Amino acid sequence: DAGVIQSPRHEVTEMGQEVTLRCKPISGHNSLFWYRQTMMRGLELLIYFNNNVPIDDSGMPEDRFSAKMPNASFSTLKIQPSEPRDSAVYFCASSPTGGLSYGYTFGSGTRLTVV
Amino acid sequence: SQQGEEDPQALSIQEGENATMNCSYKTSINNLQWYRQNSGRGLVHLILIRSNEREKHSGRLRVTLDTSKKSSSLLITASRAADTASYFCATDETGGFKTIFGAGTRLFVKA
Repeated sequence: DAGVIQSPRHEVTEMGQEVTLRCKPISGHNSLFWYRQTMMRGLELLIYFNNNVPIDDSGMPEDRFSAKMPNASFSTLKIQPSEPRDSAVYFCASSPTGGLSYGYTFGSGTRLTVV
Repeated sequence: SQQGEEDPQALSIQEGENATMNCSYKTSINNLQWYRQNSGRGLVHLILIRSNEREKHSGRLRVTLDTSKKSSSLLITASRAADTASYFCATDETGGFKTIFGAGTRLFVKA
């Protein structure tokens, strides 16, 4: 298995533009998580999907952030409009269950820079 | 606030020495996990210890869990330069469904 695949690896965009981050979880994993990592705030959970259904999006910072999981093999995280404070590394992770009994497998992340 | 708090924040040792990192948490947990993150990469799952376990080993890694003190430690024996990374503890709260990560310990192993 190729692991959790994220794209793009790097994204530089101008303030106000729409940004879409993509994730392909490991086949057979039914839980998917989006995390954001910054030096100041560490690793923050943004949203959690189970069987393609959003279970908890309380970590999504604002209405500018939205996430979808149209099927078991694909998820997107969209920021519209983007702001400089959104600059961070965004990770996608998947797990065979809710992660309670197994570890997560993380993707390599997308480094987002908003200028 | 963070569920898991690692200590120390940074640790620098010589190759061959043992490295010990500690994690404290606040609520009841189902399990506790340790992850490693190399610079510019995603987190890699190292080991999971359940709330009814006290010690677990995996290769050069030894993890202990003391639920009465709400703390865990990660010991890396005979460290190597390749162990240089950030190490995070993560907890799954009892009755919850998500994993909360601590701020991490940055380990630097000098060759």
